[in-house]
Amino acid sequence: GENVEQHPSTLSVQEGDSAVIKCTYSDSASNYFPWYKQELGKRPQLIIDIRSNVGEKKDQRIAVTLNKTAKHFSLHITETQPEDSAVYFCAAKFAGGTSYGKLTFGQGTILTVHP
Amino acid sequence: NAGVTQTPKFRILKIGQSMTLQCTQDMNHNYMYWYRQDPGMGLKLIYYSVGAGITDKGEVPNGYNVSRSTTEDFPLRLELAAPSQTSVYFCASSYSIVATHDLDTQYFGPGTRLTVL
Repeated sequence: GENVEQHPSTLSVQEGDSAVIKCTYSDSASNYFPWYKQELGKRPQLIIDIRSNVGEKKDQRIAVTLNKTAKHFSLHITETQPEDSAVYFCAAKFAGGTSYGKLTFGQGTILTVHP
Repeated sequence: NAGVTQTPKFRILKIGQSMTLQCTQDMNHNYMYWYRQDPGMGLKLIYYSVGAGITDKGEVPNGYNVSRSTTEDFPLRLELAAPSQTSVYFCASSYSIVATHDLDTQYFGPGTRLTVL
């Protein structure tokens, strides 16, 4: 079945450093890859997404890259700030079979930014 | 727009009790979803709906039921609550082009924290 693997499970950085979170997916027909940020006790919120016809997308300090051949995509956060501390989830929308509009989520990465 | 709203915010149930978690969205989204998130874990899909009158099972449907009689509402029913159903439940919605299943942003509600004792 569909599978999304996310690494690392925890990531600790100093303020101002960069953070990179990686995800791999199993279905080569997947075509939509969102990233969500979830602060403690809050709902997941979309921070950036990318579709399979694009290799990279940037939004200020956040960027996502997609390598369709290798079936992996990554979240890059530059100049990290303490308010970036949260759990980050990647997800993939699988295009085949009866998947319809379902997203499969990765296991999450706990990012801690130390002042 | 209020977005996706969920009630109640918190609930404690005894084993064997039943309850309905309410979810409403005012964005005219056709797709709606129910997820559960266990402590320190990711999101698991329980049920989803691609439009009024159409529902389908997700990854962990056992012990739950849903209905979708209107575009706006997607209630989740727990029958015979068990301690394993202690979790945070999130409802979400998105707009999708039905013919191609192309997805737009999935918006989440604030969640319902359920404890079964």
